Amino acid sequence: GAVVSQHPSWVICKSGTSVKIECRSLDFQATTMFWYRQFPKQSLMLMATSNEGSKATYEQGVEKDKFLINHASLTLSTLTVTSAHPEDSSFYICSARGTSGYTQYFGPGTRLTVL
Amino acid sequence: GQQVMQIPQYQHVQEGEDFTTYCNSSTTLSNIQWYKQRPGGHPVFLIQLVKSGEVKKQKRLTFQFGEAKKNSSLHITATQTTDVGTYFCAGDSSGNTGKLIFGQGTTLQVKP
Repeated sequence: GAVVSQHPSWVICKSGTSVKIECRSLDFQATTMFWYRQFPKQSLMLMATSNEGSKATYEQGVEKDKFLINHASLTLSTLTVTSAHPEDSSFYICSARGTSGYTQYFGPGTRLTVL
Repeated sequence: GQQVMQIPQYQHVQEGEDFTTYCNSSTTLSNIQWYKQRPGGHPVFLIQLVKSGEVKKQKRLTFQFGEAKKNSSLHITATQTTDVGTYFCAGDSSGNTGKLIFGQGTTLQVKP
């Protein structure tokens, strides 16, 4: 149980375009989902926290107008990277937490390359 | 802001040797979690520690949470090549909101 999927697993796009990444909890209801970014050989950096039905809370230094997060249902959150630039190239990972316990279940990640 | 420091950054061991990674938080944590990430993969949850002084074991892995709930360690006994990967600790100091601050990770290489 406790499976989180992400789509797409990888995406290559041109500079200036927008990219949407989906995060789904497949077998549980995720009241809270988290979005992380990981650069090569670095740790995970929390970008934002999203609770179903409410606005996402962004970490300091993360531009909310550039990284749009929507958590429309208890099983789906989306991250849209708007007007992507090469410096946005990274590994984006979501995690989901259910209604009980501390455990976060991570998705397999989406590797974004902006040309 | 809150920081979670993890050492060492890299560790190379001979198969069969033991391995330990340490994690220290600048603030008291409500819980700490450990994850393993294989090259090219995503973090996989290993364990969570909640209580002061807690010790948990998973086969050859031993996890400890300090009495002050500011530090933690992961010890692997008799490493195997399957233990290769990066081990991250992640602390939650925000009262169980789930906001995890990850340590820098310790990358373990095991020579057969």
